[in-house]
Amino acid sequence: GQQLNQSPQSMFIQEGEDVSMNCTSSSIFNTWLWYKQDPGEGPVLLIALYKAGELTSNGRLTAQFGTTRKDSFLNISASIPSDVGIYFCAGPMIKAAGNKLTFGGGTRVLVKP
Amino acid sequence: EPEVTQTPSHQVTQMGQEVILRCVPISNHLYFYWYRQILGQKVEFLVSFYNNEISEKSEIFDDQFSVERPDGSNFTLKIRSTKLEDSAMYFCASSVASSSVEQYFGPGTRLTVT
Repeated sequence: GQQLNQSPQSMFIQEGEDVSMNCTSSSIFNTWLWYKQDPGEGPVLLIALYKAGELTSNGRLTAQFGTTRKDSFLNISASIPSDVGIYFCAGPMIKAAGNKLTFGGGTRVLVKP
Repeated sequence: EPEVTQTPSHQVTQMGQEVILRCVPISNHLYFYWYRQILGQKVEFLVSFYNNEISEKSEIFDDQFSVERPDGSNFTLKIRSTKLEDSAMYFCASSVASSSVEQYFGPGTRLTVT
């Protein structure tokens, strides 16, 4: 089946830093989604990307749809403590009667002690 | 802002017991999903549901699992005879149309099987 690999698996941030993470796939996706999950909560949709090369922002978050359609990147600028959480990329298998999402393993963002 | 809700937030059950997890999707959404996340692992697709029938299910979704939309608002996941390995967070999600890939997730139900 399709596999999504995210890196890094975890990272420490210091307030004010910019952070980057990426997601690569074994196959082509026509759409990429980025979600954030806080502890004990469900994934919250951050950004959806629909076109190769597309760059989309949501506040301090910017995501890019890679030109090969096999990767995507998420950047957080000027990080703040509430950016802590797990960030997942997801790609849909589009069908007429519902779209199954395949998730990556997540990038865990932690605050530097 | 409309959101997906799930009840209960935490369910503890004994192995072999039946559990029903409940979800209220966003009201104008037509496509419904269940996913599960074993502690520390990735979110995994279980089943999608549209027009009162299952449209796709994963290999995890065996005969012990069933889904139902008993009325116009609720969407349920039933596990007939729970096993220890069913312990996980179960998330309900919904989307407005098949052309929309944006799925909105509920807060989850933590199922603990003892």
